[in-house]
Amino acid sequence: GQNIDQPTEMTATEGAIVQINCTYQTSGFNGLFWYQQHAGEAPTFLSYNVLDGLEEKGRFSSFLSRSKGYSYLLLKELQMKDSASYLCAVRDDYGGSQGNLIFGKGTKLSVKP
Amino acid sequence: GAVVSQHPSWVICKSGTSVKIECRSLDFQATTMFWYRQFPKQSLMLMATSNEGSKATYEQGVEKDKFLINHASLTLSTLTVTSAHPEDSSFYICSLWTVQRNEQFFGPGTRLTVL
Repeated sequence: GQNIDQPTEMTATEGAIVQINCTYQTSGFNGLFWYQQHAGEAPTFLSYNVLDGLEEKGRFSSFLSRSKGYSYLLLKELQMKDSASYLCAVRDDYGGSQGNLIFGKGTKLSVKP
Repeated sequence: GAVVSQHPSWVICKSGTSVKIECRSLDFQATTMFWYRQFPKQSLMLMATSNEGSKATYEQGVEKDKFLINHASLTLSTLTVTSAHPEDSSFYICSLWTVQRNEQFFGPGTRLTVL
């Protein structure tokens, strides 16, 4: 079956670093995405990994290990506005044009002063 | 700027009425759009895949006669919730995937409340 696991909640301090882990088991794999979602809003794209390794984009980095079915999102220099849910999602096709994503349940991150 | 727009952003309706939600692709021609539903404190669940010029593909457990999808052009897909009931109250989000940028963009979502 399709399964994407990530912690339900995390708390961190402003200015600190936090790592949100995601493990997945899907029938196919064509990329892993991280999205940020504030309450009541649609998700916004953060990062995309399709090859093993680290992708860095400003304060956010995302890592992928396909052999382990594992990814993490690293947030540095945390700010209060980073308090949100972070969704891990896997594209479950092989080069098809549809691009359907399977979402994890999200990790609610609370940043404290 | 926004890539995908949705209208309306929120709607309140009485039980038994039908509600239409529009999803427009602003920058790309979208042969495929996705409709998701998100209940409070839950993740996004795919409802259906909307293909331009053909019938939508519905996920298991989603009633195609209740959630009518029309993808009449490369920039517009509509979701109509027919005979809405309180249990249909949810956050409905459309999305499109662009081959050109290999990214998936989400609309801002529509909050539906059925009284």
